[in-house]
Amino acid sequence: KQEVTQIPAALSVPEGENLVLNCSFTDSAIYNLQWFRQDPGKGLTSLLLIQSSQREQTSGRLNASLDKSSGRSTLYIAASQPGDSATYLCAVVSGTYKYIFGTGTRLKVLA
Amino acid sequence: GAGVSQSPRYKVTKRGQDVALRCDPISGHVSLYWYRQALGQGPEFLTYFNYEAQQDKSGLPNDRFSAERPEGSISTLTIQRTEQRDSAMYRCASKGLMNTEAFFGQGTRLTVV
Repeated sequence: KQEVTQIPAALSVPEGENLVLNCSFTDSAIYNLQWFRQDPGKGLTSLLLIQSSQREQTSGRLNASLDKSSGRSTLYIAASQPGDSATYLCAVVSGTYKYIFGTGTRLKVLA
Repeated sequence: GAGVSQSPRYKVTKRGQDVALRCDPISGHVSLYWYRQALGQGPEFLTYFNYEAQQDKSGLPNDRFSAERPEGSISTLTIQRTEQRDSAMYRCASKGLMNTEAFFGQGTRLTVV
C-alpha cells in the first residue's frame, strides 16, 4: 500500500530564504508525482507535475525533483515571499491511477 | 467553465438526511476523482471515474456513500443518512488522458449537525 510522508509538517522562515520541502513515498512504482498548494478556504492549486521518467521540473521560483529509486521528491522554493505562505501537498499516482496525498507542509514566510 | 466547479460550496444538513454533492469537471477531461479532506490532513481518496465507468471505489468508507457519472461528465457524490463524522471538505478533481495534471475544484464544505 502506497504511503506518502511530508517533512517538515510546518515551517516558518524569514522572507528571502531559499527552502526545501520533502516528500517521500513507499512504493517506487509510480506514474507521476504532483505538487499542490492549498490556501485556507480555497481549492488545491497545481504547481508542478513530474512524470516518472523525469528527474525535475521548474516553474518560476519553484523546482521539483524526483528520485524514484529512493522514493523521494523535493520542492525547492527560491527567494521565498510572504505570498508563498500556504500548505504544500505532494501526491503520487500509482497502482490504479489514484492520487495518494501526503499530509502537507504548512509554510509561513515572515515579512 | 474554465475550471472544476463544485456545488454547493457549503452544505449544512441534519443528521440522518441525504445529501448530494455535485462536480462539473473541466470540459473534455476523462478522469474524475472524489476526495475527502479533514482539517489538517491531506485529501483522502474516495473514488474515481474514467468517462462514465467507476474505476475504483475502494476509498468509499461504507455503503452510505455512492457516486455516479452517468454521461461521463458531471458527477454526483451522494451520502445517505448522514452522520456527524461525515463532516469534512469534499473535493473533486479532473484530468485528461494519461499522465497529465489533475485540477481540483474549490470543494464542498459539509457540516452535519
